[in-house]
This record gives sequence, C-alpha cells and structure tokens, in this order.
Amino acid sequence: GNSVTQMEGPVTLSEEAFLTINCTYTATGYPSLFWYVQYPGEGLQLLLKATKADDKGSNKGFEATYRKETTSFHLEKGSVQVSDSAVYFCALSDHRSNTGKLIFGQGTTLQVKP
Amino acid sequence: DAGVIQSPRHEVTEMGQEVTLRCKPISGHDYLFWYRQTMMRGLELLIYFNNNVPIDDSGMPEDRFSAKMPNASFSTLKIQPSEPRDSAVYFCASSLWQGRSILAGGLLDTQYFGPGTRLTVL
Repeated sequence: GNSVTQMEGPVTLSEEAFLTINCTYTATGYPSLFWYVQYPGEGLQLLLKATKADDKGSNKGFEATYRKETTSFHLEKGSVQVSDSAVYFCALSDHRSNTGKLIFGQGTTLQVKP
Repeated sequence: DAGVIQSPRHEVTEMGQEVTLRCKPISGHDYLFWYRQTMMRGLELLIYFNNNVPIDDSGMPEDRFSAKMPNASFSTLKIQPSEPRDSAVYFCASSLWQGRSILAGGLLDTQYFGPGTRLTVL
C-alpha cells in the first residue's frame, strides 16, 4: 500500500545552517506530494506541494523536488531561522485511487538555535 | 474565508463523561477529515467524509468513538464514555476534490487543517 517515510528527528541546527529533511514514498499511480508544517500549538498548514514528476514546490525559502526515479521528495532550505522551528510532515495523495485522503509520514521535529 | 473552525479549543473532562468536538469545514469543500495527534502515535486519521457520507472509519479506535456530518457545514466527533488514554489533540481538516484530473493542479486535494481541540481526560 501507499506509505511515506521521513528521517527521524529531532533535527537540531544553528541559525543560517542548511536544512535537509529526507522523505521517501511508496505509492501506486501518480501521487501528489506535500510538505506540511506544524508550529507549536497550531494545526498543520501546507508548506509546499508538487503534483507530477520533476516538479519543484517552493515557499518561504523551502524547496522540494518530486523525484520519481528515487521516489523521494526531500525538503531543503539554504539558511534556516529560529522561526522555522516546527514539526514537518511529508505526505502523499493518490489520484488514481481517488480516495481524497492523504498519507502522512511520522513527522520530523526541527529545532533551530540562535 | 475563515478557514476550518473547531470548538472547543481546549476541553478538560473526567473519565466516563461524554465529549463532543465540533468542526465547521471551509465552505464548498466536499471532504472532511478527523485526525488525532499524540506524542506516542503521531498523527492518525480517524474517519473521513465525502459529501457528508462517511467513507472510511477504519481509524476509529473503538465503539466509544462516533462521528457525524449532518450537513455540509458541520461535523461532530463524540467520545462516550471518555478515558484518560483519549487525551490528545484532535484536528479537523477539509479539502476540495476535483476528480482525477491532475491538470487542475493548484488547490486540488490540499487539506486545510483547523487549529485543533486539545482534550484532557482526567
């Protein structure tokens, strides 16, 4: 079945460091891929998405490229800030199954220190 | 748009009491999802609806949990009787599914989450 695997956290970085959070997936059909972010005490919010192979999603300095050959959607940011401290979730949906639901990874906690 | 609205934001109750969580999805959305988040189990999908009809309730932990969606603008998640292990943050999310076309792109199948209800059962 469909699944998403994220790198385990927590990830602790100093401000202005480079960030990579790995995400790989298993899916049938042609999934869309998402990164959601959850700030402390809040619900999840969409950070970026990509709907087909080789698409690059980007937002707020974060980027992720849909790699079908490696079934990956790694999240990157060139220079993190303290305000980026949050939990990041990778997720996929499957258009072919037409269920409308998302499959989430387990989440990766990012802590950025000044 | 006000986004997904959940109430209450915090609920503290005693074991054995009935708890009702409420959700108002974004107007026009045709999918509604209920999730539970705990430190131990992460984010779990409990149940979801399409056009007010329950599609998959396989994530509902046991018969003490029930969910309804009487109309397109309102859903409830009820726990009766509540137990301490039900303590968690419960999220509601909604989305607009435009069928199989991937050409729609944009907001196709993006889920929008509410702020959550933090439930504590003593």
